[in-house]
Amino acid sequence: DAKTTQPPSMDCAEGRAANLPCNHSTISGNEYVYWYRQIHSQGPQYIIHGLKNNETNEMASLIITEDRKSSTLILPHATLRDTAVYYCIVRASGTYKYIFGTGTRLKVLA
Amino acid sequence: SAVISQKPSRDICQRGTSLTIQCQVDSQVTMMFWYRQQPGQSLTLIATANQGSEATYESGFVIDKFPISRPNLTFSTLTVSNMSPEDSSIYLCSVRAQDQPQHFGDGTRLSIL
Repeated sequence: DAKTTQPPSMDCAEGRAANLPCNHSTISGNEYVYWYRQIHSQGPQYIIHGLKNNETNEMASLIITEDRKSSTLILPHATLRDTAVYYCIVRASGTYKYIFGTGTRLKVLA
Repeated sequence: SAVISQKPSRDICQRGTSLTIQCQVDSQVTMMFWYRQQPGQSLTLIATANQGSEATYESGFVIDKFPISRPNLTFSTLTVSNMSPEDSSIYLCSVRAQDQPQHFGDGTRLSIL
């Protein structure tokens, strides 16, 4: 099963883009990358997912490298409400189970 | 996306007792999962709740400690049995509808005295 590696913490100025990296060097060809975030006292919230191509929705953009060994979640204009722990997840091969890594604690500064 | 309700939202229990946590979804879903989040840690999958059959447990989790039921496509329960202080955690239910990512409830915060 692919595992993910993320920096433990990051700071970002309010209004600036937050770029959160994730390494998943053992990912296999048919495994999707998912991003969730967890705001204090809440369950994880789905943000975005992708397989090979870059994806964008109303919350964020997901950039996946051509070799698929890493990806970056981009929050284009971070706000204080984006302060949370962000998890990059690769779904276990052949199943629908998620294997959570340790995540990145993003702090957006005023 | 599905709306997930977990009950209770929090509880304080005595060691040696058991607590049953309920997860109710507002629509039929194909898969339901139970996770544990220990203080300051990430989420760990306990088991997949299978409708009409025994749950599938992950390594390190056993049915005697965490019995799970899923009588239909919208409801599941997790029981934490014979609790000790080490069981103090947040327990989260998640669901997956066809071709959708998992969605999580807000969890049950459990403290054992």
